[in-house]
Amino acid sequence: GAVVSQHPSRVICKSGTSVKIECRSLDFQATTMFWYRQFPKQSLMLMATSNEGSKATYEQGVEKDKFLINHASLTLSTLTVTSAHPEDSSFYICSARDSGDTEAFFGQGTRLTVV
Amino acid sequence: GQNIDQPTEMTATEGAIVQINCTYQTSGFNGLFWYQQHAGEAPTFLSYNVLDGLEEKGRFSSFLSRSKGYSYLLLKELQMKDSASYLCAVMDSNYQLIWGAGTKLIIKP
Repeated sequence: GAVVSQHPSRVICKSGTSVKIECRSLDFQATTMFWYRQFPKQSLMLMATSNEGSKATYEQGVEKDKFLINHASLTLSTLTVTSAHPEDSSFYICSARDSGDTEAFFGQGTRLTVV
Repeated sequence: GQNIDQPTEMTATEGAIVQINCTYQTSGFNGLFWYQQHAGEAPTFLSYNVLDGLEEKGRFSSFLSRSKGYSYLLLKELQMKDSASYLCAVMDSNYQLIWGAGTKLIIKP
């Protein structure tokens, strides 16, 4: 199947700093990118959906100024957690889908710990 | 509202068969996915059903009944490495994935 590379896999940052997570599609065009967060023992929660070249659509309750999403190309999307706090500690996962497909492919996930 | 229901946890014995059920109520239907997720890792794709019936893929099979809003994932010849969470997800009319909470499958020797 198609490959989505997510980086970094783990990051520890200090409270108040910003963290950028990258998600790259390696062998297909990521027309649509989904960003999820997952707390322990819970299912995936969609944070936002972005289409290449457009502003991201955020789910209710997700602060767009705190979770900045950029999807400037068909192979790269980034999620920046700004002014991170301990409650932002979570597992963040991206998935990407080409326009002609129904299946979305997942990145490896990023474990963010804010101390 | 949209809702996906699956059992929270199941236990099975190595070498046996287990069936994980999923029922759904969504606004529109464009297919049902099953994913496997090991602790601390991203989900990996197992199956996709959009038409009624059984899809078999090695030790794993997935069944769909659209009229009943029901699917199951069948795992045969269970191995210890099958211990994981299994996520049911339905693609709605907007092509968004609606996720179930996942079923934690525990395999005992």
